[in-house]
Amino acid sequence: AQSVTQLGSHVSVSEGALVLLRCNYSSSVPPYLFWYVQYPNQGLQLLLKYTTGATLVKGINGFEAEFKKSETSFHLTKPSAHMSDAAEYFCAVSDRGNYGGSQGNLIFGKGTKLSVKP
Amino acid sequence: DTEVTQTPKHLVMGMTNKKSLKCEQHMGHRAMYWYKQKAKKPPELMFVYSYEKLSINESVPSRFSPECPNSSLLNLHLHALQPEDSALYLCASSQDYGTPYNEQFFGPGTRLTVL
Repeated sequence: AQSVTQLGSHVSVSEGALVLLRCNYSSSVPPYLFWYVQYPNQGLQLLLKYTTGATLVKGINGFEAEFKKSETSFHLTKPSAHMSDAAEYFCAVSDRGNYGGSQGNLIFGKGTKLSVKP
Repeated sequence: DTEVTQTPKHLVMGMTNKKSLKCEQHMGHRAMYWYKQKAKKPPELMFVYSYEKLSINESVPSRFSPECPNSSLLNLHLHALQPEDSALYLCASSQDYGTPYNEQFFGPGTRLTVL
């Protein structure tokens, strides 16, 4: 079975600074990984996803994430934070069971709240 | 159109009321989902419909009753709810169910308060 751990429930950065949100996964089969963002009182929006192929994935709003199998990580980064990036960020892995069976349910991490200081 | 819409945006109901939440998508997706999200928590899966048939019920109490009238619509009927059911209810859809690399598209949610 798959699981996701997000390190740090709250991250605070200054406007213009690097954003780094950490996500580690556990999976016995090749994982499919997602980052979603949730602005206050809104639904979730997909930032980016990793399925196969290139390990550096570029998403919307200047975000990118790198899949590192050796570190079982899928950290989210943005070179320069903007005030509008303040939101809750969820890392998720697709549930594929222990043998790679296809279910497709999303297993979410607990989320990281990003604050951006002016 | 890559939008999932939900109505109403806010709902306040008493414990004896019957109400319904509605969700609609026009992306031709064949899988639709209901999630419950409490404050400062990730979404929790409640139900999955695939090709208009209930595929997953994550041991949700019977006071929540889902319905999928057609491939574009998903309802969640509410009856005799408890105050602890107050939460943000999110609807989502994906191309199909059982394909793990398909992304889910989420609606804006309905904020439910049970008095």
